[in-house]
Amino acid sequence: NAGVTQTPKFRVLKTGQSMTLLCAQDMNHEYMYWYRQDPGMGLRLIHYSVGEGTTAKGEVPDGYNVSRLKKQNFLLGLESAAPSQTSVYFCASNTGTGYFQPQHFGDGTRLSIL
Amino acid sequence: AQSVTQLGSHVSVSEGALVLLRCNYSSSVPPYLFWYVQYPNQGLQLLLKYTTGATLVKGINGFEAEFKKSETSFHLTKPSAHMSDAAEYFCAVSDPRDSNYQLIWGAGTKLIIKP
Repeated sequence: NAGVTQTPKFRVLKTGQSMTLLCAQDMNHEYMYWYRQDPGMGLRLIHYSVGEGTTAKGEVPDGYNVSRLKKQNFLLGLESAAPSQTSVYFCASNTGTGYFQPQHFGDGTRLSIL
Repeated sequence: AQSVTQLGSHVSVSEGALVLLRCNYSSSVPPYLFWYVQYPNQGLQLLLKYTTGATLVKGINGFEAEFKKSETSFHLTKPSAHMSDAAEYFCAVSDPRDSNYQLIWGAGTKLIIKP
């Protein structure tokens, strides 16, 4: 079972460049989340979606945009990359059927902005 | 607002020794509680979770955690550490008042196993 798949796994960008990170899940989950992970700061929620066609801001949304045109995909965009966006990005999904349901994670995208 | 505190960014134990990783949450409403493990260069995997019922929860790889409402704690333990347990561990809570099922995360504790 693939679960949650993130592409690409690694990327190096120059300041000002744009890119899109793709998250795909094959579990028919309703809810999807984008996090960034920085040393000593745990996981911080960037944006999330509670269903196809919906998106909402999380804790640190500035500089990012998202789209959920298909239920299985959740895209995270950086319009103009900045060095402060150097991080490891994780996508997660959840059935959306209860507070006891865990989130399922991809393996992450390691992004460096020079 | 809900918050999660993990005491100690790094915990070092000898192989075969007891592992104790601490997690405290702040909420007047008992949340749902999770422990996740992250091995190097990997995503997070669910270790165990507490929802309702028995307060001692058993997870994978010999780990268990006990929910103590009076102490607002959910500490993770393992009787005997193995080298393969070296990883970062995250405590997270799900607030029943949040309809978006967001998780509030602790900052993580890196477990170091000494041979």
